[in-house]
Amino acid sequence: GESVGLHLPTLSVQEGDNSIINCAYSNSASDYFIWYKQESGKGPQFIIDIRSNMDKRQGQRVTVLLNKTVKHLSLQIAATQPGDSAVYFCAGGSGTYKYIFGTGTRLKVLA
Amino acid sequence: ETGVTQTPRHLVMGMTNKKSLKCEQHLGHNAMYWYKQSAKKPLELMFVYNFKEQTENNSVPSRFSPECPNSSHLFLHLHTLQPEDSALYLCASSPRTSDPDTQYFGPGTRLTVL
Repeated sequence: GESVGLHLPTLSVQEGDNSIINCAYSNSASDYFIWYKQESGKGPQFIIDIRSNMDKRQGQRVTVLLNKTVKHLSLQIAATQPGDSAVYFCAGGSGTYKYIFGTGTRLKVLA
Repeated sequence: ETGVTQTPRHLVMGMTNKKSLKCEQHLGHNAMYWYKQSAKKPLELMFVYNFKEQTENNSVPSRFSPECPNSSHLFLHLHTLQPEDSALYLCASSPRTSDPDTQYFGPGTRLTVL
């Protein structure tokens, strides 16, 4: 079946460094991707999205890269801060509301 | 503040109890969703409503009963639950179901079934 997975369950990054969180997907028909951030005790919070006609999109301190050839996307966080500590997961969709969600990578920011 | 609120935030119930979860969205969206989030598992879609009509029941046991009186409110009625139903239940909304729009989530209800 279709899957969306994250490469690492946990990522530890020094404060101030850049973070890169990866996600792979299996459905080549996926045309819309979202990154969510989920802090402890809270619901998932939208970070950034990207459609399949793009290979890069930038937001505030975040960049999403999409490589359709290898079915991979990544979330880059610049100058990681303690407030970035959370679980990050990607979701992929193909034309409808039905997303396939990844299991998440826990980002730990070290002081 | 995502514009999607859920109550209660925490709920502990016995297997014979009946309780309801409430979700309200203030985003003017027409689609609402219930998801189940269990530890170390991806989000599981449970129900979908589009313009108050249920468009998806993802093989959810009948002990979970959704209700959508209007596009802004969504309920999940619970009865005779099992301990394995303990999880975080998330409500989400999006402009519509026909397009792959961003879904905005509420904070969730942490449910514990004893």
